[in-house]
Amino acid sequence: GQNIDQPTEMTATEGAIVQINCTYQTSGFNGLFWYQQHAGEAPTFLSYNVLDGLEEKGRFSSFLSRSKGYSYLLLKELQMKDSASYLCAVRDENTNAGKSTFGDGTTLTVKP
Amino acid sequence: NAGVTQTPKFRILKIGQSMTLQCTQDMNHNYMYWYRQDPGMGLKLIYYSVGAGITDKGEVPNGYNVSRSTTEDFPLRLELAAPSQTSVYFCASSLKRTGGNEQFFGPGTRLTVL
Repeated sequence: GQNIDQPTEMTATEGAIVQINCTYQTSGFNGLFWYQQHAGEAPTFLSYNVLDGLEEKGRFSSFLSRSKGYSYLLLKELQMKDSASYLCAVRDENTNAGKSTFGDGTTLTVKP
Repeated sequence: NAGVTQTPKFRILKIGQSMTLQCTQDMNHNYMYWYRQDPGMGLKLIYYSVGAGITDKGEVPNGYNVSRSTTEDFPLRLELAAPSQTSVYFCASSLKRTGGNEQFFGPGTRLTVL
């Protein structure tokens, strides 16, 4: 099985940088996803890491350390629209179904 | 492409009633999933399918049933609704491939059982 931990809530200021951490203990690992979910809406894909290191995509970056069971999502130049829940999801190893186990999400509030 | 569509958007059921949540995707994805999301929580996998005619249980399948007769459609059936099934239900789909096969989600169905 999978156990995924994320902070429940974070607050940051517009224009700042925030780092959202995710730690996981899993029986297998085949990639880690980050999704963004605005209140009352569906999750949307942000990033994917399967190898150690940093993946950068515009204002968002995601880092993975497989040996430490650790990932973070880095959001730069925060905007008010970044206020949302951020879900970390780990994909099962050796699955032919692309299944992922989701953490409970981190609710980020961006203040002016 | 419409992506993943779900109906209805909202529903109120009485205890013991049954209903079917509809899910359709037009991206020709092999994999489809049903999740429930309780307030302040993450997504819990109910059932999934790797292709037409093939379904399997996820983490929380009790009280639900699914079928996959076509690539496009993956309905979720609730039999004998209970208050514990009050939740938001998301359907998702993804490509069958190695690498980052991210999931695409429908808009959700908000179900209340009274």
